[in-house]
Amino acid sequence: AQKVTQAQTEISVVEKEDVTLDCVYETRDTTYYLFWYKQPPSGELVFLIRRNSFDEQNEISGRYSWNFQKSTSSFNFTITASQVVDSAVYFCALTGANSKLTFGKGITLSVRP
Amino acid sequence: ETGVTQSPTHLIKTRGQQVTLRCSSQSGHNTVSWYQQALGQGPQFIFQYYREEENGRGNFPPRFSGLQFPNYSSELNVNALELDDSALYLCASSRIPRMPTGNTIYFGEGSWLTVV
Repeated sequence: AQKVTQAQTEISVVEKEDVTLDCVYETRDTTYYLFWYKQPPSGELVFLIRRNSFDEQNEISGRYSWNFQKSTSSFNFTITASQVVDSAVYFCALTGANSKLTFGKGITLSVRP
Repeated sequence: ETGVTQSPTHLIKTRGQQVTLRCSSQSGHNTVSWYQQALGQGPQFIFQYYREEENGRGNFPPRFSGLQFPNYSSELNVNALELDDSALYLCASSRIPRMPTGNTIYFGEGSWLTVV
């Protein structure tokens, strides 16, 4: 069975601070895929990134960066110089080859002006 | 804009009633999955449809059923509604049901269901 743990439930930072959202996963699949989604109050899950298990390169997209470490089964997400618009719930998710996602419980990020 | 559209966006039903939620997948996507997200929780997989057939199901009772149409749009039907069915129902589409490089899963805005 697959499992995603997001141990942080709520994080509050002041604008311009850096913040890291943690994600730890469990799977028996040798090939798997990790995702991060952002959920604003409207409810839509906004796709941020997909990472394949065979590609351990870290990725940077603007103020967002992701650190994938297979050795510790972690896929952490860092927002640099946070902004109020980053306030949302962030979900880490995992799937094997069948595209059926297992989600963590989410992390509520509040960025204060 | 993900190209995945869901309707209705909000609805209120009475316990025991039936509800139908609809989803249009992104153009070129033939796989639709449904998820239930209770308040304060992560989404839970209900089932997936591919080529008009159910292609996997999560831990949900048979009163949760679905359909996929030739144009790949989909419906989620819930019979005999219970109070615990109150949740955000999310539809996700992907190009195929497998996950090779390049296949990404996109979600719609969801349907908020309240059962009273």
